[in-house]
Amino acid sequence: RKEVEQDPGPFNVPEGATVAFNCTYSNSASQSFFWYRQDCRKEPKLLMSVYSSGNEDGRFTAQLNRASQYISLLIRDSKLSDSATYLCVVTERTGGFKTIFGAGTRLFVKA
Amino acid sequence: EADIYQTPRYLVIGTGKKITLECSQTMGHDKMYWYQQDPGMELHLIHYSYGVNSTEKGDLSSESTVSRIRTEHFPLTLESARPSHTSQYLCASSVHKADDTQYFGPGTRLTVL
Repeated sequence: RKEVEQDPGPFNVPEGATVAFNCTYSNSASQSFFWYRQDCRKEPKLLMSVYSSGNEDGRFTAQLNRASQYISLLIRDSKLSDSATYLCVVTERTGGFKTIFGAGTRLFVKA
Repeated sequence: EADIYQTPRYLVIGTGKKITLECSQTMGHDKMYWYQQDPGMELHLIHYSYGVNSTEKGDLSSESTVSRIRTEHFPLTLESARPSHTSQYLCASSVHKADDTQYFGPGTRLTVL
């Protein structure tokens, strides 16, 4: 079983749709959680951190459920520019800190 | 905008050549990483470093080597390039703590003929 698993995708949605991505992690001692965005042929960039209380940034909402070891990202009112791969990222404490990237879920938003 | 740089951005080279991919960051970050990523595929960690004179192998076995003589510099070397090394190589850095946001360079796209 992978340490971080994401919806395989791709997701094909029309503009204006709401789309939700799911991610599960295997290590209950994981400490920090993030969503990154990677555009085609570009480097990953931090989209948002994920906190137990949930957090929102404009059209994006991230939630963490530690009991279920589950992270989600909700995008409301999808734009064409949201088309990208979304990476779920988890940091574990293992002596030092180990960061694990999920395989990513690709989103295509169409006009 | 992250202050992490990679050169060259694109490299096409023949089999058997020795190559060094450069990565530098000006953020004073202790941790640095090298990832390998094929088009449309997931990131694979191949090397990382906690600081000067520290280097560790990542999850994916790689024939490349790295060095960390200065905090800001983390070059990756392939002694003898092969077509199987064709890929994108992404360098990243972070502060060494739990909130381990990684900042990525633009990547080097390597093609070995």
